[in-house]
Amino acid sequence: DAMVIQNPRYQVTQFGKPVTLSCSQTLNHNVMYWYQQKSSQAPKLLFHYYDKDFNNEADTPDNFQSRRPNTSFCFLDIRSPGLGDAAMYLCATSSSGGYNEQFFGPGTRLTVL
Amino acid sequence: AQKVTQAQTEISVVEKEDVTLDCVYETRDTTYYLFWYKQPPSGELVFLIRRNSFDEQNEISGRYSWNFQKSTSSFNFTITASQVVDSAVYFCALYNQGGKLIFGQGTELSVKP
Repeated sequence: DAMVIQNPRYQVTQFGKPVTLSCSQTLNHNVMYWYQQKSSQAPKLLFHYYDKDFNNEADTPDNFQSRRPNTSFCFLDIRSPGLGDAAMYLCATSSSGGYNEQFFGPGTRLTVL
Repeated sequence: AQKVTQAQTEISVVEKEDVTLDCVYETRDTTYYLFWYKQPPSGELVFLIRRNSFDEQNEISGRYSWNFQKSTSSFNFTITASQVVDSAVYFCALYNQGGKLIFGQGTELSVKP
């Protein structure tokens, strides 16, 4: 089945220790998104790729970066995680514009010690 | 301003009851899209429906139905004969010319046996 896969599902890191979360898709969608979702809150868009074009949200901290080496893969790098970065990180994909439905992965729950 | 309001933070019903989740949106655009997503305890957001601003037809899919009314800027979601498996957080979202999905705060539905 075509899908969005996120690894790992659970990630524990130490304060200040860089961490990378990965997302892959078999849907061949050209748009990929990274969202941060904290407890009892709505998902918050961090950035997205439209093909190779990177679009950063204005309020996304510099601590968060992303790479998309090819259509299928996208990575979220947190350079120096703080306690406030503990959250669920959701990857999503869509074909063409965001007016098409987004397909979400199962998320990676990040714990910062 | 673009905004989605889900006034009901939590709803609790007993199995087989009907339940309506409210969604009110704000946008100045004439072309926009409305979505509902379900987020079960596992964490993955599941797409339920998309409606564009030019299509006010109500839709029914099994036990789910949606009522889109532009006059009141509402896009309400009704579950008929609720089941325990319907327990989840439900998000209403708006996509417009701004280029990103704007989520409401979500409604946590608890269906008790």
